[in-house]
Amino acid sequence: AQTVTQSQPEMSVQEAETVTLSCTYDTSESDYYLFWYKQPPSRQMILVIRQEAYKQQNATENRFSVNFQKAAKSFSLKISDSQLGDAAMYFCAYRRLSNTGNQFYFGTGTSLTVIP
Amino acid sequence: SQTIHQWPATLVQPVGSPLSLECTVEGTSNPNLYWYRQAAGRGLQLLFYSIGIDQISSEVPQNLSASRPQDRQFILSSKKLLLSDSGFYLCAWSVRGLAKNIQYFGAGTRLSVL
Repeated sequence: AQTVTQSQPEMSVQEAETVTLSCTYDTSESDYYLFWYKQPPSRQMILVIRQEAYKQQNATENRFSVNFQKAAKSFSLKISDSQLGDAAMYFCAYRRLSNTGNQFYFGTGTSLTVIP
Repeated sequence: SQTIHQWPATLVQPVGSPLSLECTVEGTSNPNLYWYRQAAGRGLQLLFYSIGIDQISSEVPQNLSASRPQDRQFILSSKKLLLSDSGFYLCAWSVRGLAKNIQYFGAGTRLSVL
């Protein structure tokens, strides 16, 4: 069974600084997708970044980047130059690369506070 | 462009009353559809997913049910609500197949069962 673990329930960062949110997952699959979603106070889930497991290069989206360590089954999110608008709940998610299994598995989330 | 609509945004229901939450997707065909529940301070729990009309899989046994009467309509229902059904419910969709695997979420419904 696939599980996603986020071991940091809460994190804080000073504005303009860098913060890293950790995520580990458990799977027996070799190909899959990993995601980070952001849930601001409005509760709308917003995709932050996506990583294909077959790609060795770490995904990057502006100030957001990931450190994907496939062997360690680790998928951390780095937020650079943190902004007040980055304050939100962040969820790590896993999806199998299969048409028969369409489930996404989510971690329990990390609440990020950005300190002005 | 694709959009997902979910309503109502907020709902307060007494214990034992029925429930019907609706979700519709526009701008795409044959989407995969999902219902999640997010309890206070916790992550997302997948309740149901559907790969087509009347094709629904349940992830967690409970007193909730889901239906997909039309390709882009997904309904979450209950005949009798329990206090434990309170939470934030999210509908989501993704493109069928392997081409894209991003899941897009609706704005959510906050359900309070009293």
